[in-house]
Amino acid sequence: DTAVSQTPKYLVTQMGNDKSIKCEQNLGHDTMYWYKQDSKKFLKIMFSYNNKELIINETVPNRFSPKSPDKAHLNLHINSLELGDSAVYFCASRYAQGGTKYFGPGTRLTVL
Amino acid sequence: SQQGEEDPQALSIQEGENATMNCSYKTSINNLQWYRQNSGRGLVHLILIRSNEREKHSGRLRVTLDTSKKSSSLLITASRAADTASYFCATDAWTNFGNEKLTFGTGTRLTIIP
Repeated sequence: DTAVSQTPKYLVTQMGNDKSIKCEQNLGHDTMYWYKQDSKKFLKIMFSYNNKELIINETVPNRFSPKSPDKAHLNLHINSLELGDSAVYFCASRYAQGGTKYFGPGTRLTVL
Repeated sequence: SQQGEEDPQALSIQEGENATMNCSYKTSINNLQWYRQNSGRGLVHLILIRSNEREKHSGRLRVTLDTSKKSSSLLITASRAADTASYFCATDAWTNFGNEKLTFGTGTRLTIIP
């Protein structure tokens, strides 16, 4: 069974559109994350959620908004998409601080 | 700037040889982790070494950590074609607000030649 799943796997859309990426984990973890991997393969943390509270918010534009309906889900909403948003977005989760972080398979977003 | 930087950026070796990748970081850490990413796929956690550990083994993997030099190395012995992937080090540290943050390096692209 997939531990951390993301949908969709690929997303191609026009500039200016609003889109969402969904993430679900079935590990019972209490902290979830979103990472962005750019074309140079550099991974940068965007958000983390612990028990529905945002505890890390790196300097990402407010066009990006994480939404966590429950502990097992952390969705990423992006408004007014820009060309520079094209990247691979990874969801991750962790049970305890300092423990192993499990990553989803990634969502490749292409903005045209 | 990013916390971890891997060296080399790319490495090609013959199957059966050992591969060594290095990672340097800048701030104090709780632990350091190595991940593998196959082309077009997600990240797979390989091994975690805590700041009070100096060496750790897992199968064909050997990781060292030198906190005085703020560096780590990943050794893959008896490499196989399936080891071809990008390898990332990630440092786990507390932010100023007391929250943990996992920061990734730029990665080493390892190619194993059959």
